[in-house]
Order: sequence, then structure tokens, then C-alpha cells
Amino acid sequence: DQQVKQNSPSLSVQEGRISILNCDYTNSMFDYFLWYKKYPAEGPTFLISISSIKDKNEDGRFTVFLNKSAKHLSLHIVPSQPGDSAVYFCAASTNTNAGKSTFGDGTTLTVKP
Amino acid sequence: DAGVIQSPRHEVTEMGQEVTLRCKPISGHDYLFWYRQTMMRGLELLIYFNNNVPIDDSGMPEDRFSAKMPNASFSTLKIQPSEPRDSAVYFCASSLTRDQPQHFGDGTRLSIL
Repeated sequence: DQQVKQNSPSLSVQEGRISILNCDYTNSMFDYFLWYKKYPAEGPTFLISISSIKDKNEDGRFTVFLNKSAKHLSLHIVPSQPGDSAVYFCAASTNTNAGKSTFGDGTTLTVKP
Repeated sequence: DAGVIQSPRHEVTEMGQEVTLRCKPISGHDYLFWYRQTMMRGLELLIYFNNNVPIDDSGMPEDRFSAKMPNASFSTLKIQPSEPRDSAVYFCASSLTRDQPQHFGDGTRLSIL
């Protein structure tokens, strides 16, 4: 049973436009969510996070939205840049076992110049 | 800050051989994590340590896998005997606290022939 799902394996957008990456989860105990970005031959790097007490968190061009009732979160990148082309992973954890993050399978974002 | 350092970057060996992967976490980080990434299962947590003590090893696939953290600056993941299905990229990550985002190494690409 996959508790964190990223249903779109890939996404392609034009430079300057908005990129929206989606993530769904099934475990209602998840209360902390993170997005990581991964370039080829490198490890994932932390991008942005959100606690379940919030529904939005913003950091520069990156905004994460959380809809707890729908068990859905999304990452918005505005404006998208070619350097944003990477694999994006959604991850979730519970307060009782915060060290144990469950990752989605990732979405490959391609930003075309 | 040197980041999380993993060695070797690549390992190719024959099935039945013992494989040892190494990780040096970021200095001062109390949490250390071992992940495995495969096409079939994505990025999955194998085990994590807090202050050198294993906290959750429920992701370790079987007894052939073992992990140790003899001190705060070094951890190993050992597979004995190795099998072709163990071929994957293995990541080590560390974090300051359990609530902080994890910093990943660049991974070890393991191929078992």
C-alpha cells in the first residue's frame, strides 16, 4: 500500500510559466510534508516543507499548498526556470515517528527554454 | 560544510560477495538515515539512527542487511551475501533533529552481477 502517491511521472512546462506538481497521501496521521528536488547522480535536496497546521507555505518562487480534507498537497513553481528541471519528491511523516519519512515515486519536471 | 559523504560512489561485485557501504554524516547531526532507491519501489527508508542508536529498522529487507553506527561520524550498511536484486542506489542522509529536513549524500550505485 503506497501511502504517498505522485500520480504524474513527468511534467513539461515552458520557461516562465507555472509548474504545478501534485501529491496525494492516504495516511491521515501524516502531519508534516516536505518536497525534495533531485538532479541526476546527486542525492535529493530539501526544497520546502509544510506542517499540517498550515495550508500554505511560501519560499521565493516555491509555494506548497496543503488540503488536509482532500489529503492532497501541491508544489507551485512560479516562474519556472530551466534550472528547475529535476525529479521532485513529495515526502510525509507523522509526529510520533518524525524521523521516518515516506516518499512518493517522484515527478520529473522538464522546463523548456 | 562538506555535506554527507558516501563511499564508494559506485560498486560492482559478484553475487555472494560481502558489500560494505560507508557514510559520514554532517557534523553535529544527531540523526542518520539509510535509503534505497529502485525503479520498482522508489525511495524507501531502510533504517535510521538517533545518537548512534538504531531507532527504526523496519525497512531493512532481510537478515542479509545490517547497519551500524559505531560513532557519531561514521555509519556502515553491509550486505552479506549480496544478490542481484540488491542492485540499487543507496543513499545516506542526516539531520540535526528529527523535525529538520534531511541532507542527503550523493549515493552509492551498487550493481550485483
